[in-house]
Parts: sequence; structure tokens; C-alpha cells
Amino acid sequence: QKEVEQNSGPLSVPEGAIASLNCTYSDRGSQSFFWYRQYSGKSPELIMSIYSNGDKEDGRFTAQLNKASQYVSLLIRDSQPSDSATYLCAVTSSGGSNYKLTFGKGTLLTVNP
Amino acid sequence: ETGVTQSPTHLIKTRGQQVTLRCSSQSGHNTVSWYQQALGQGPQFIFQYYREEENGRGNFPPRFSGLQFPNYSSELNVNALELDDSALYLCASSPGRQGGSPLHFGNGTRLTVT
Repeated sequence: QKEVEQNSGPLSVPEGAIASLNCTYSDRGSQSFFWYRQYSGKSPELIMSIYSNGDKEDGRFTAQLNKASQYVSLLIRDSQPSDSATYLCAVTSSGGSNYKLTFGKGTLLTVNP
Repeated sequence: ETGVTQSPTHLIKTRGQQVTLRCSSQSGHNTVSWYQQALGQGPQFIFQYYREEENGRGNFPPRFSGLQFPNYSSELNVNALELDDSALYLCASSPGRQGGSPLHFGNGTRLTVT
């Protein structure tokens, strides 16, 4: 059973701080990695994708991938109260099943004004 | 260009009943994937349809079935509903059955089984 593990949370940070969200995965052959943001009662919204080792920056978001350690993270700089949501890490399965995503349970982030 | 749309938004059913959920794929997309998200959990893959055929299936019993139509819209059918089927059902479309591309979900259907 391929697994994706995330910090159980909840994670609470003050406004303007850096929020760090972590994720590990068990399928060593996974090639694609995604972060989704989900507000309460809403569907997940894609915020970042990363495919190769290293950092990828998009505005206040930075995704980091280390395939050797099977670890992916999301940093949110200058956190805003509107960033308060559950963040889901998702990983594609390897090989012929790479069409399906395996999600972690999510980390609830609260940004305090 | 419209995104993925799902209907209905909310649904309440009784245990043992049957339900059909609908998904219209994004223009130009021939593949639809369905996920179930129980409260407090991440989404779980149910199945994927590519050009009207099931392309892959997760660990869900046969009472979960689907269809894809020539216009690439899709239905998810659940028979003999159980209380544990209460969840948010998510649909996503993609331009092909190969993975790796990001999935963009519709707004979901919230199913409550009583």
C-alpha cells in the first residue's frame, strides 16, 4: 500500500511568519508531486506542482523536493490569515498506475492575525 | 474555457438506496477521474475513465461503478448505499490517461447517507 504521510497538525503561525508543511511518501518510483489547498467545505485547489529535485518558487509559495529522502515540503512566506486552510500533499503512483494520485490526510494551517 | 462542473452540489440519501453523481469535463479533456474524500481524510482514488472505458480502479467495491459518455462527461453510480459512503465526491478531468499532469477538481458533490 503506497502511503503519503503529513504532519498531523494543526499548525498555527502568526501573520507574516513562514509556515512549513512537510510530506513523506513511500513509493520510490513516484515522479510527480503536488500541493493542494482546501478551505473548509470546498474542494481541493492546486497550488504547486514539482517534478525534479530542488526548489520551485511561485510567489509566496516554495515547494521543495528530495527524491532520495522521499520528502517534499511547502513553505509559505509572509503567511496571511487567508492562507488558513488544510494543505494536502499528493503523489502520483509509479509505473503504469501513474494516472492516480495518492493523498496525505492533510495538515490544517491556522494563520493568526 | 469552462472547468470541471459537478452536480448535484449536495445530496441526502438513505442507507440501501442508489445514487448517481455527474461530472462534465473541461473542454478538450478525454479523461475523467473520481475521488472520494471522507471527513478528515485526503481524497482516495475511485477510478478513471478514458475514452468511455475504465482505465484504472482503486480499492472500492463493485457497487461503485461509472460511465463515460461520448462527450467525455461522466457518471459515478453507487448502489446499496452505506453510512460510510458519506463523503465529498470529487471529479477531475485531464487531457489524457497518462499521469503526471496536475489534476484540477470540480466543486464536488457532498453526499450524506442517513
